[in-house]
Amino acid sequence: DQQVKQNSPSLSVQEGRISILNCDYTNSMFDYFLWYKKYPAEGPTFLISISSIKDKNEDGRFTVFLNKSAKHLSLHIVPSQPGDSAVYFCAARHLSNDYKLSFGAGTTVTVRA
Amino acid sequence: NAGVTQTPKFRILKIGQSMTLQCTQDMNHNYMYWYRQDPGMGLKLIYYSVGAGITDKGEVPNGYNVSRSTTEDFPLRLELAAPSQTSVYFCASSYSLTRQETQYFGPGTRLLVL
Repeated sequence: DQQVKQNSPSLSVQEGRISILNCDYTNSMFDYFLWYKKYPAEGPTFLISISSIKDKNEDGRFTVFLNKSAKHLSLHIVPSQPGDSAVYFCAARHLSNDYKLSFGAGTTVTVRA
Repeated sequence: NAGVTQTPKFRILKIGQSMTLQCTQDMNHNYMYWYRQDPGMGLKLIYYSVGAGITDKGEVPNGYNVSRSTTEDFPLRLELAAPSQTSVYFCASSYSLTRQETQYFGPGTRLLVL
């Protein structure tokens, strides 16, 4: 039962433009959300997170938006750079199982020069 | 400082064979984890450990065993390999169990069971 879904397996964007990655979840007990970035032959690395008490968190070129009523979050990358080409995973943490994350399947981003 | 290292990088097993996936971290983290990622799916937690000698099941523990005799090492054992265990396996470590942004992942072991 996939509680975290990334419905777009891939995204192609022009260098300098905005990349928008989407993530939907079904469990209203998720209270913390994270985005990870993964390059080929490497493990995921933490990118940015957001608590359920906020609706936006920004870190440099990366901004995560959370819409709790829609159970939807998005990651914006502005401007997109060639080094942003990677797989991006959305993950969610349950309020009462805070050691465990539920991951989405990932979105592969390709930034075109 | 190598972070989290995993060996082997890739392995082909026959059904019924056994193997151990090795994981070592040099950051003195108490917490270590094993995840698997199946094609088209997100990572799922197999086992985790909160310190030497203490391990616990995650979401998908069946078919696997772990041990944690030292802070640095957290091997994952497959006793009777099955095709359903074909996956990419990631080991991770962290200094906090509940602050997942502190997790460092290894590069992964790709396992094919035929």
